[in-house]
Amino acid sequence: GNSVTQMEGPVTLSEEAFLTINCTYTATGYPSLFWYVQYPGEGLQLLLKATKADDKGSNKGFEATYRKETTSFHLEKGSVQVSDSAVYFCALRGGTSYGKLTFGQGTILTVHP
Amino acid sequence: GAVVSQHPSWVICKSGTSVKIECRSLDFQATTMFWYRQFPKQSLMLMATSNEGSKATYEQGVEKDKFLINHASLTLSTLTVTSAHPEDSSFYICSALGPWGANTGELFFGEGSRLTVL
Repeated sequence: GNSVTQMEGPVTLSEEAFLTINCTYTATGYPSLFWYVQYPGEGLQLLLKATKADDKGSNKGFEATYRKETTSFHLEKGSVQVSDSAVYFCALRGGTSYGKLTFGQGTILTVHP
Repeated sequence: GAVVSQHPSWVICKSGTSVKIECRSLDFQATTMFWYRQFPKQSLMLMATSNEGSKATYEQGVEKDKFLINHASLTLSTLTVTSAHPEDSSFYICSALGPWGANTGELFFGEGSRLTVL
């Protein structure tokens, strides 16, 4: 079956540091890949997505590239801010059921001034 | 943007009682909603798909008589945990397929509801 593995957190960084959160997946076929972010007290929000190999998703300075050869979708940001502190979830969707997302366990990111 | 709200955000109940959690789409009509369950430090697990006006579709291993789902209107789906036991304590999250439906497949999530069964 499908599975997603994220690097374990928590991750603690200073403001303006470089961020990488690793995500690898196992899936049959050609899944779509997502990063969701959950800010304190709020629901999950879609951060970025990629639907096919070599696609790069980007939003709010975050980027992730769909690498089929390494089955990875690592999240990166060149310079984090305190406001980026949140929980980040990597997820994949296989098939045509839009709700059937397979999530990673989430990575807590804390950014200090 | 599309907003989904859950209520209550936190509930404590005694073992054997039933608890209802509501999921509302505030500014759009959601024909399809989804219910997830999240254990501490674990990923979200899809429990069921809720379609307005029809019976929910449950994932394998989820007891439909234990977790009753009703989607009676285009803006409201409810999850009722019947005869709750401590092992049902968890974080329950709903999501709704956005107003553009299958065109984008984008999901909008509620804030989650934490259930603690004593």
